Amino acid sequence: GQQVMQIPQYQHVQEGEDFTTYCNSSTTLSNIQWYKQRPGGHPVFLIQLVKSGEVKKQKRLTFQFGEAKKNSSLHITATQTTDVGTYFCAGGYGQNFVFGPGTRLSVLP
Amino acid sequence: DAGVTQSPTHLIKTRGQQVTLRCSPKSGHDTVSWYQQALGQGPQFIFQYYEEEERQRGNFPDRFSGHQFPNYSSELNVNALLLGDSALYLCASSLRAGLNGGYTFGSGTRLTVV
Repeated sequence: GQQVMQIPQYQHVQEGEDFTTYCNSSTTLSNIQWYKQRPGGHPVFLIQLVKSGEVKKQKRLTFQFGEAKKNSSLHITATQTTDVGTYFCAGGYGQNFVFGPGTRLSVLP
Repeated sequence: DAGVTQSPTHLIKTRGQQVTLRCSPKSGHDTVSWYQQALGQGPQFIFQYYEEEERQRGNFPDRFSGHQFPNYSSELNVNALLLGDSALYLCASSLRAGLNGGYTFGSGTRLTVV
């Protein structure tokens, strides 16, 4: 069935270091969305990618959709303590979105 | 701010009981999706309602049922509660299936089954 994997499960970085999380699907995606969930909070929509090879930037965040539309990445440049949380990708299969298990980011000041 | 509203915020139930969770979608949204999020896990899709009908369903037993009202609000019902049903239940609203702007999540209902 439709399955979305994310790596790494956890990432601890020093403030100022970069961070990348990767999302992979077992089958081709129609689109992909990224969410951030702060500790004790709820997922908050960050961005949606639709086109093969698409790259979008939001300040220090760079999102990429693979050419084969089976993988995606989120890269954060120069992390800050406010970046702490769990980052989820949600793979779009038609009108159904399947969430990955998330990558939990810790940023040490 | 007319975001997604869920009630109650916390709930404690006993095994075998039934529970109803409620969700009011963001203003302008017409689709409601329900997710179960266990501690340390990603949200698991339960079902989605659009035009008062269940449009899609995840891998959850029939004990989980729902409803959408004409004003787009929704309820999630769980019968014969099990200890494993303890989780954060998230409601997410969107315009159609969330294809054009993602889902807006509520703060969730924390259900504890004892």
